[in-house]
Amino acid sequence: AQRVTQPEKLLSVFKGAPVELKCNYSYSGSPELFWYVQYSRQRLQLLLRHISRESIKGFTADLNKGETSFHLKKPFAQEEDSAMYYCALKETSGSRLTFGEGTQLTVNP
Amino acid sequence: GAGVSQSPSNKVTEKGKDVELRCDPISGHTALYWYRQSLGQGLEFLIYFQGNSAPDKSGLPSDRFSAERTGGSVSTLTIQRTQQEDSAVYLCASSSGTSGYTQYFGPGTRLTVL
Repeated sequence: AQRVTQPEKLLSVFKGAPVELKCNYSYSGSPELFWYVQYSRQRLQLLLRHISRESIKGFTADLNKGETSFHLKKPFAQEEDSAMYYCALKETSGSRLTFGEGTQLTVNP
Repeated sequence: GAGVSQSPSNKVTEKGKDVELRCDPISGHTALYWYRQSLGQGLEFLIYFQGNSAPDKSGLPSDRFSAERTGGSVSTLTIQRTQQEDSAVYLCASSSGTSGYTQYFGPGTRLTVL
């Protein structure tokens, strides 16, 4: 069965520092990977998806099939990036999303 | 436009009672999903609707859980004989081909079973 692992439950960085949120997955097929973000008192929203290969709010993520990873990176963290981040996987033929347990990012001033 | 809406936003019930949770998807979205967000469990898939049919209900944790969708729009998740372990935030999401199948989430219903 597919599985998504986010090894860090909590991550704290200072404003302006680089940040990397780790995501590893296990799935035998070709998955579609996503990062979702939930800001305080807001609903879960899509941040980016690997097939779009775009940068959103300065964040990027590259799918590494060899390492089965989809780490989220930003070179200079901002206080407004503080939020809960979830990595999610969609199977090739399915519709459901399988989520990691999430990483709570705190960016300190 | 209007996003996914869910009601009620909060529900407190006594163990053994039945509850109904409602989801209004984005207009025109053919796919609808229910997830559960529990402390220490992350986000778990419950059931997926395409139109009014549920081709994947494999995530429903027991036969006390059921869901239906009518008119290809509103969905109701029903939990019978609630237990304390049912306490969680229940999230609904919808998607369509025109959204690239991106799932858009509602604000959730926080269910507390006393």
